[in-house]
Amino acid sequence: GAGVSQTPSNKVTEKGKYVELRCDPISGHTALYWYRQSLGQGPEFLIYFQGTGAADDSGLPNDRFFAVRPEGSVSTLKIQRTERGDSAVYLCASSLNQLGEQFFGPGTRLTVL
Amino acid sequence: GQSLEQPSEVTAVEGAIVQINCTYQTSGFYGLSWYQQHDGGAPTFLSYNGLDGLEETGRFSSFLSRSDSYGYLLLQELQMKDSASYFCAAPSSGTYKYIFGTGTRLKVLA
Repeated sequence: GAGVSQTPSNKVTEKGKYVELRCDPISGHTALYWYRQSLGQGPEFLIYFQGTGAADDSGLPNDRFFAVRPEGSVSTLKIQRTERGDSAVYLCASSLNQLGEQFFGPGTRLTVL
Repeated sequence: GQSLEQPSEVTAVEGAIVQINCTYQTSGFYGLSWYQQHDGGAPTFLSYNGLDGLEETGRFSSFLSRSDSYGYLLLQELQMKDSASYFCAAPSSGTYKYIFGTGTRLKVLA
C-alpha cells in the first residue's frame, strides 16, 4: 500500500516568504507528527495531531509556525516570514496510535536563502 | 526535561556484532523505540521495547532496563547496508511529545 508522502520534496525560498509543506499520511492512521531535522542531528519534534486536533504543539519554535489537519488526514505545515535558520528537512510521520510504530515520509528539504 | 544520549559514532567490520547504547533521563517512561536512517533517507522503525528485557527481530535485537534507564540495539552479522544512523526514541512523560536521541552513526567496513 501507499506510504506517507510529502510535497514538495525540495523547496527553495527567500527570507521573509511564506511556505506550505504538505503531508499525506497512511490511510487510517489517526496519529500524525511533524519533525524538523538538521544535518547530523535527530528529528526534533514540532507538533502532534490526534485526528483533526493538535494534541501537542509544544515543539513549534515560535508563532511563525502553524500546522493544520482539517479532515483528520492530510496535514499542512505553514511557515510565515521564513528565516535562514528555518532551513532543514521537515519530516512527517503517521501512526495508528501515539505509542506505535511511526511511518515517516521522505521529507521536504527547505532552503531559505 | 527528557534526553536520550547515544555514542556519536561506532565502527565495525562486516560479519561482526555491534551494540549501540541509549541512556535516558525522564520522569516517566512509556518504552523505547529504535529507528534506522540512511543518508538522505527517512527514518524507518526497527524495534520497540515496552517492557524490560530483550526483543529479537531477525539480525536486530533491542534491550531495555528501566531500573538502569538504559537500552541498547544489537546488530548481528553486520552487512555493508547496515551503515546508517541509528536513533533511540521515546515519548516524553505526560505529553505527546516524541523525543529522539542524539543518534549514532554506524560505519561497517569490508
